[in-house]
Amino acid sequence: DTAVSQTPKYLVTQMGNDKSIKCEQNLGHDTMYWYKQDSKKFLKIMFSYNNKELIINETVPNRFSPKSPDKAHLNLHINSLELGDSAVYFCASSSGASGPYEQYFGPGTRLTVT
Amino acid sequence: GDSVTQMEGPVTLSEEAFLTINCTYTATGYPSLFWYVQYPGEGLQLLLKATKADDKGSNKGFEATYRKETTSFHLEKGSVQVSDSAVYFCALTNQGTGRRALTFGSGTRLQVQP
Repeated sequence: DTAVSQTPKYLVTQMGNDKSIKCEQNLGHDTMYWYKQDSKKFLKIMFSYNNKELIINETVPNRFSPKSPDKAHLNLHINSLELGDSAVYFCASSSGASGPYEQYFGPGTRLTVT
Repeated sequence: GDSVTQMEGPVTLSEEAFLTINCTYTATGYPSLFWYVQYPGEGLQLLLKATKADDKGSNKGFEATYRKETTSFHLEKGSVQVSDSAVYFCALTNQGTGRRALTFGSGTRLQVQP
């Protein structure tokens, strides 16, 4: 029983292509996130949705578009991929309108743009 | 804005040695503090947490105490094992500002030699 799952695990594509990454959580959480981990392992928030509503949108190129069809799913679509988009993308989820916002992470999607 | 500073790695120890990884933070409001661990090729796992001053989080022999006076949350383990080799991330969320996303430190790689 995977709590937070992502597909695909690996994604290799060429510059200029459009790709999507999917995330699903079965924890009953109401908030989901996308984080980007660069080659130096640094982790940074990209987006967050609470009950299907966008609540965090950091400084991310508008080629990145998140979409949350329901509370259990958060997808990330990337247009016109660039070399600099190569990274590991992690989905996470948390529960509650208040509290510590403890988050549970998916296994990551390693995106390589050639 | 909020920030987290961790000691630079890698930290290389022999098995059964004592571990300390330093973490300090800057945040307004009432941050909750976390340590996450990333084993090679895997996603992030929550290791431990503390939600208020003087709380001690503990798990799998690891401990960290929330020190408001020194704005620190140092990770310790009395006797490390080879299986503890991983990257450790200190992070915070902030109920005071309503920021649910994790703000991460840069990560510290731990290498334990037999």
